[in-house]
Amino acid sequence: KQEVTQIPAALSVPEGENLVLNCSFTDSAIYNLQWFRQDPGKGLTSLLLIQSSQREQTSGRLNASLDKSSGRSTLYIAASQPGDSATYLCAVGDRRELAQKLVFGQGTRLTINP
Amino acid sequence: DTGVSQDPRHKITKRGQNVTFRCDPISEHNRLYWYRQTLGQGPEFLTYFQNEAQLEKSRLLSDRFSAERPKGSFSTLEIQRTEQGDSAMYLCASSLIWGPDSFSEQYFGPGTRLTVT
Repeated sequence: KQEVTQIPAALSVPEGENLVLNCSFTDSAIYNLQWFRQDPGKGLTSLLLIQSSQREQTSGRLNASLDKSSGRSTLYIAASQPGDSATYLCAVGDRRELAQKLVFGQGTRLTINP
Repeated sequence: DTGVSQDPRHKITKRGQNVTFRCDPISEHNRLYWYRQTLGQGPEFLTYFQNEAQLEKSRLLSDRFSAERPKGSFSTLEIQRTEQGDSAMYLCASSLIWGPDSFSEQYFGPGTRLTVT
């Protein structure tokens, strides 16, 4: 059974710092990995999608990498801003399942201090 | 905007009442998923449809829960005799699968937040 773990559970950094969020998964048979942002009480906003054949994706100040063999992904946020404060969720699409359901980590709650 | 929509966005109900949520997927998408997210946790899969057929249900989906997608378009999720433990965010997502070996991105709606008092 696929399991996704995100470390740390919470992170607080001063504005302007570069930071890395980590995601690990137990089964490398995935078809994609997705990073989401969730503001308190709100739905999910998709940030980056990495297909299983890709190693990284970039969008603005965000860069996500994928290493399937080691079961790891990182989300790099450059020059953090207070508006980046949110919970960041990692999810993998399990290739072994017909349903292609997403398996989520518990999230990292990020606070950027002005 | 032609994204995934959900209605209502918030629902407060008393224990024992029935509630129904609606999800309208992206129009050409043939797959529709329901997930549930409790406080401080990541979303968990509940069930999914391929067109109008419900193909899998999680063990999280007790007998009090029922989902339909009658014409392969919108879907409803009904919870009967609600309990306080049903309080959660219910998320809907849709995707387009065009073949047995195709893998597609899921697009999420804004969610319905249920509070059972």
